[in-house]
Amino acid sequence: GAGVSQSPSNKVTEKGKDVELRCDPISGHTALYWYRQRLGQGLEFLIYFQGNSAPDKSGLPSDRFSAERTGESVSTLTIQRTQQEDSAVYLCASSPRGRSTEAFFGQGTRLTVV
Amino acid sequence: GDSVTQMEGPVTLSEEAFLTINCTYTATGYPSLFWYVQYPGEGLQLLLKATKADDKGSNKGFEATYRKETTSFHLEKGSVQVSDSAVYFCALSATGNTGKLIFGQGTTLQVKP
Repeated sequence: GAGVSQSPSNKVTEKGKDVELRCDPISGHTALYWYRQRLGQGLEFLIYFQGNSAPDKSGLPSDRFSAERTGESVSTLTIQRTQQEDSAVYLCASSPRGRSTEAFFGQGTRLTVV
Repeated sequence: GDSVTQMEGPVTLSEEAFLTINCTYTATGYPSLFWYVQYPGEGLQLLLKATKADDKGSNKGFEATYRKETTSFHLEKGSVQVSDSAVYFCALSATGNTGKLIFGQGTTLQVKP
């Protein structure tokens, strides 16, 4: 596709439910990032995939959060037993290999836990 | 670990005023540095970047110079417009081969006519 695609764009879920957020990166981009942006806050790093290397999971806030990526394609961020503090916009980005390259962001998934 | 610190906002300016948004970083090696912008209702997009010391990134009238001696990457524009109203994020690409992007907290700029 032309850009990074995230789905759903909005998700309202009840506290305690599990949710899955999907990210389709730009074709050919080996790096993929997940960030969380709470209302009025900056971008909080969650997880980073680079090719076939082991992902950098250092930003995941708890063991309720996990993410997978199949090869250099789609990634899924899963939040188990959601809590109200999980409410935020979850952003996905991808970039070509190389640390000086631009990251292209999706429009995000707005998650609301009620 | 690596980190980025930005000046707190919001910053409110009149049209045609001079803009500076301060950004400093902490890194053990030689990161690449970026400014991203988030216009109202839109996704983040790259504004400019610099990959080594003394490089100057520029775009849309904005500039930032990679200053290794002061570990800074301040964003400047000589004459802001209402359309520049947005949230600006400073970021670095982490040292080593990971390439992980680390962002500052963001600075909201509001330009009034």
